[in-house]
Amino acid sequence: DTAVSQTPKYLVTQMGNDKSIKCEQNLGHDTMYWYKQDSKKFLKIMFSYNNKELIINETVPNRFSPKSPDKAHLNLHINSLELGDSAVYFCASSPTGVGGETQYFGPGTRLLVL
Amino acid sequence: KNEVEQSPQNLTAQEGEFITINCSYSVGISALHWLQQHPGGGIVSLFMLSSGKKKHGRLIATINIQEKHSSLHITASHPRDSAVYICAVEGVQGAQKLVFGQGTRLTINP
Repeated sequence: DTAVSQTPKYLVTQMGNDKSIKCEQNLGHDTMYWYKQDSKKFLKIMFSYNNKELIINETVPNRFSPKSPDKAHLNLHINSLELGDSAVYFCASSPTGVGGETQYFGPGTRLLVL
Repeated sequence: KNEVEQSPQNLTAQEGEFITINCSYSVGISALHWLQQHPGGGIVSLFMLSSGKKKHGRLIATINIQEKHSSLHITASHPRDSAVYICAVEGVQGAQKLVFGQGTRLTINP
């Protein structure tokens, strides 16, 4: 029943490790997003994909690589994790991504880098 | 200075009070969103509007495009309304890219 799901919910790891976060939506939407919420609760867009094609790529370090195997999935792989990567990462989706649409958010993945 | 500024940053009120949260932005926009983040962390979209006013239950959102300002009102507030309310704007061109305000933490005491 969950519209936008993320795994894992919590991720605790050491600096320098590589980790992935998965996102799936069952809404039939064409566009998916990754957002980062920092320790001050400030949200910022990282990436968006429309039907497996990268549309938005904000100034995010190259260590972050999104992958969309199909339009229902958008995964986020992070290489060489740093302390500053600790945050909550939210996935979201919208019907077309053109604009003026409601976005549907996943529950978030809390990443803690030690 | 952020493109999107919210006020107040924190708001504490008694149950039943009328609540107003403000959002000002400095860029041209095609739409403005109000989101609610529950204490558990989940984010829910409340409204998306590009002009005028929208109402859903006890929540009302208004926008004045000329003044670059939006307000979110809660009537007859209840402790379950306690959450962080986030304003976000979409630019005028291209793909849907949200720029967020810093959020307003609302606490309603019984």
